[in-house]
Amino acid sequence: NAGVTQTPKFRVLKTGQSMTLLCAQDMNHEYMYWYRQDPGMGLRLIHYSVGEGTTAKGEVPDGYNVSRLKKQNFLLGLESAAPSQTSVYFCATGIAGMIYNEQFFGPGTRLTVL
Amino acid sequence: AQSVAQPEDQVNVAEGNPLTVKCTYSVSGNPYLFWYVQYPNRGLQFLLKYITGDNLVKGSYGFEAEFNKSQTSFHLKKPSALVSDSALYFCAVRDPDSGGYQKVTFGTGTKLQVIP
Repeated sequence: NAGVTQTPKFRVLKTGQSMTLLCAQDMNHEYMYWYRQDPGMGLRLIHYSVGEGTTAKGEVPDGYNVSRLKKQNFLLGLESAAPSQTSVYFCATGIAGMIYNEQFFGPGTRLTVL
Repeated sequence: AQSVAQPEDQVNVAEGNPLTVKCTYSVSGNPYLFWYVQYPNRGLQFLLKYITGDNLVKGSYGFEAEFNKSQTSFHLKKPSALVSDSALYFCAVRDPDSGGYQKVTFGTGTKLQVIP
């Protein structure tokens, strides 16, 4: 099993360009999350999904959109990239109803916006 | 609101010595506490968690953590550090009363450097 995978691993964008980050999981988990990791700030939640067809905003949703059309995939979109969105992006999954369980993370996508 | 603090940006320890990485938390109810480790250019990996019961929790790679309710702390420990333990460590907290989607708050991370 691949677990949680993220595509692409690296990307460089120019300001104003758009892109989509893909998170795929084969763990059959209901919950999926997108975080960004910035130095000295830990992980901050961008958006999350509690099931296919549902999404919700996290702590820092501005400038991002998400979709969960299939249970196994969670897409994060940047419509018009800004330098402030330079970060490492992590996808994570979790088991529904098991509030004490850990989250499972993908390997990350390093995004640079010039 | 829930929060977690890791007061040290970096911890240096000699190989073979015991190590401690500190974490304190704030939640309105009884917390669920987690430690994750991140190796360079990798995602976070789960190490251990405290849910209830015994205050000393054992996890992967010889790590353990002690839950102290009166001090609202959950420090990560290992009796004998290895160079391969060098990584970034994150403490995280979940308040069971915070509602449905398993909101987890992460600390800012502590870089552990084990010196040969």
